[in-house]
Amino acid sequence: DVKVTQSSRYLVKRTGEKVFLECVQDMDHENMFWYRQDPGLGLRLIYFSYDVKMKEKGDIPEGYSVSREKKERFSLILESASTNQTSMYLCASRLRGAIGEAFFGQGTRLTVV
Amino acid sequence: DQQVKQNSPSLSVQEGRISILNCDYTNSMFDYFLWYKKYPAEGPTFLISISSIKDKNEDGRFTVFLNKSAKHLSLHIVPSQPGDSAVYFCAASGREYNFNKFYFGSGTKLNVKP
Repeated sequence: DVKVTQSSRYLVKRTGEKVFLECVQDMDHENMFWYRQDPGLGLRLIYFSYDVKMKEKGDIPEGYSVSREKKERFSLILESASTNQTSMYLCASRLRGAIGEAFFGQGTRLTVV
Repeated sequence: DQQVKQNSPSLSVQEGRISILNCDYTNSMFDYFLWYKKYPAEGPTFLISISSIKDKNEDGRFTVFLNKSAKHLSLHIVPSQPGDSAVYFCAASGREYNFNKFYFGSGTKLNVKP
């Protein structure tokens, strides 16, 4: 059974903290993605990676960075958390060249106070 | 500005009846579309897809219709079951994005009443 696992279900962080969200997939997929989900806005792409050490900005990369040192792991970093980054964060992975589905993790609900 | 829109935030349907969820897009370069289903506290799971060379794709109780001229797609669920109660997202992409960037709608929450 394919799996994308996000390290935390719920996180509460203080404004200004550096926050790491971790995602691991066991499907040997080249492509990995970070989205945030907000009411009325759907899922918006923050960053994606198409190979180890390779990354590309999505539609809302401001305030975020990413790291992909190993194929199976993709980290999202909030350099200095702010209250407007309170959201549901979803990681996904997909086989390169496949135009089909992406597989999502269960999500991390981040609250910045 | 959102390129994929789901204008109905919620829909309530009686068990056994048809559910029709709608999605509109603005980018004529989109040529591949997917529907995902999301239960609370879980990530979205893939439901069904359609490419622009087709106008209909069917998988069991689920059928997706694509009207390219109207830039509109719809998901039909027949018959609807209580277990179908979830949030449904449509998503779109195209060759210009190498199918890496999918644009999602805001979702429609479906409630199927027993």
